Amino acid sequence: AQSVTQLGSHVSVSEGALVLLRCNYSSSVPPYLFWYVQYPNQGLQLLLKYTSAATLVKGINGFEAEFKKSETSFHLTKPSAHMSDAAEYFCAVSGDQTGANNLFFGTGTRLTVIP
Amino acid sequence: DSGVTQTPKHLITATGQRVTLRCSPRSGDLSVYWYQQSLDQGLQFLIQYYNGEERAKGNILERFSAQQFPDLHSELNLSSLELGDSALYFCASSGTGWSNQPQHFGDGTRLSIL
Repeated sequence: AQSVTQLGSHVSVSEGALVLLRCNYSSSVPPYLFWYVQYPNQGLQLLLKYTSAATLVKGINGFEAEFKKSETSFHLTKPSAHMSDAAEYFCAVSGDQTGANNLFFGTGTRLTVIP
Repeated sequence: DSGVTQTPKHLITATGQRVTLRCSPRSGDLSVYWYQQSLDQGLQFLIQYYNGEERAKGNILERFSAQQFPDLHSELNLSSLELGDSALYFCASSGTGWSNQPQHFGDGTRLSIL
């Protein structure tokens, strides 16, 4: 069965500092992995996706993530945090033997950016 | 703007009632998904439809049902509502419904049960 674990329900960084949000996955088949961001009172917006091409994936707003099979990880990073990055971030995995596409989400990480 | 439209944005009703949530997918997308987001359960997959047919089922209660119509819009029906059904309900859509395709989410319907 597919699942993801997000380490740290809250992360605080200073403006301009490195952002690192952790995600580990469990999957019985080669996974497809996604990061979504949710701003207050809004839906989920896709940041980036890993679908078995390059292991380093670049997304929108300067975010990127690296797929590491040996560590079953897909951590999200951004070199320099901006105030507008404050939001909740969700890691998700999809894909099983049937090819079903429903997403299994982590519990989310709320990012606070300190001025 | 994701292109996925959900109505209504807010719904307030009482226990025991029935409501219908509506979703219009992005133009060209054939697959629709419903998710529930609550404080205690997080984001949970409810059900998926592809081109009018049920494709996958998740943690959807028997009191809940959904369908996808020929014009590809979808409705989620929630009946015999309980206080615990208060949540944010999201609809998402994707092109073909296969695993490597990202899903695009609407802004959700916030359901409050009094």
